[in-house]
Order: sequence, then C-alpha cells, then structure tokens
Amino acid sequence: AQRVTQPEKLLSVFKGAPVELKCNYSYSGSPELFWYVQYSRQRLQLLLRHISRESIKGFTADLNKGETSFHLKKPFAQEEDSAMYYCALSPANAGNMLTFGGGTRLMVKP
Amino acid sequence: GAVVSQHPSWVICKSGTSVKIECRSLDFQATTMFWYRQFPKQSLMLMATSNEGSKATYEQGVEKDKFLINHASLTLSTLTVTSAHPEDSSFYICSAPGRPAGTDTQYFGPGTRLTVL
Repeated sequence: AQRVTQPEKLLSVFKGAPVELKCNYSYSGSPELFWYVQYSRQRLQLLLRHISRESIKGFTADLNKGETSFHLKKPFAQEEDSAMYYCALSPANAGNMLTFGGGTRLMVKP
Repeated sequence: GAVVSQHPSWVICKSGTSVKIECRSLDFQATTMFWYRQFPKQSLMLMATSNEGSKATYEQGVEKDKFLINHASLTLSTLTVTSAHPEDSSFYICSAPGRPAGTDTQYFGPGTRLTVL
C-alpha cells in the first residue's frame, strides 16, 4: 500500500527566508504527487502537482524518484504563506483517489 | 472554477441517532466522489469512494454498515453516520474530481464537523 510521510508537523521561518517542506512517499508503481494547502478557515485546495511542473505562488516541487521525495520549496517565504500543507499521492489508474501525508503547518513570522 | 459544497457545516447529535451529510458538486458532474475523515490535528484519511449508480468502495477498517454512502445523482453524494457514538465525532470532508472527466484535480468541500454527545 502507498504511504506519504511529512516528517515535520510544524515549520516556522521568518519572512524572506527560504522554505522547504519535506515529503517522502512509498509506492511500488509510478504515482502522481500533489501538494494541497489549507489556509485558516478555508477548504483544502490544490497548490501544485508534479506532472504540471509549474510554479504556483512562488512554490515549486520536484519529484525525485530515486529518493522517493516530492519536497515543496519557496526561495522567499511570505506571511500569507502561513497555512497547513499536505502532500498527497494518487496511485496510477486509481481514479483520483488520494493518500495524504500528515501535514506540515508553516508559520511565517514577520 | 469547480465548487463542492457540504451540508450541514456543523452538527451536534445525541449518541445513537443517525446523521446525514450531503456533498454536492455545484457546477459540474461527478460520477465519483470521495469521503475523508479528519481528526483534530491529524491528516485526512480516505474512508470510501462514492460511485454514482453503484455501491461505494470502502477502505479497509471502515464499517460500511455504519457509514452508509448513497450517490444517487451526478451531483450529490450522501454519507449517513448510523447509530452515532462519541468516537464518531470528527471532521468529514468530501471531494470530487473536476472537469474534464479524468482530470487529476480534486475539489474539496468545506467539511462537516460532527459532534456526538
């Protein structure tokens, strides 16, 4: 069975500092990886997905199959980035079913 | 963009009663919807996959007789927590894949907080 691990429950940085939220996964096939974000009092929403290879709100994430990682990075954190971040995996041909990591709360201090 | 709603957003009930939670896709059709459960300070755990016109698929450890799922139309899935007990208190979230069919983008509802006294 697939598994997603986010080792840090809380990450606190100062505004302007670089941010890296770690995500490791275990899955025998070729998964699709996602990052979802939940701002305070808002619903969960997609931030980015690995197949798009896009940068959203300054965030990027590269799928490293060798290390089975999908870390989320941003060079300069902003206060509005403070939120709960979830890494998620969808197995191939699983019909969009998602397995979530435990989540990391990012706090960006002024 | 695609929007998913849930009703109610918050419910308190007595132990032993049943509670129905609705999940609607507002501007798109969803042949599949997903139900998650989230305990305080924990991640989302997939409970079941709701399939329009057929039986739901439950994850291991989820009691299908306790968590009844009905996906009667392309825009509505319901989760009924039967004979609720305090340990069923949790945050229940649904999601649906957005258009076009087969897209890997999931749209989440705002969640329903269930408190069983």
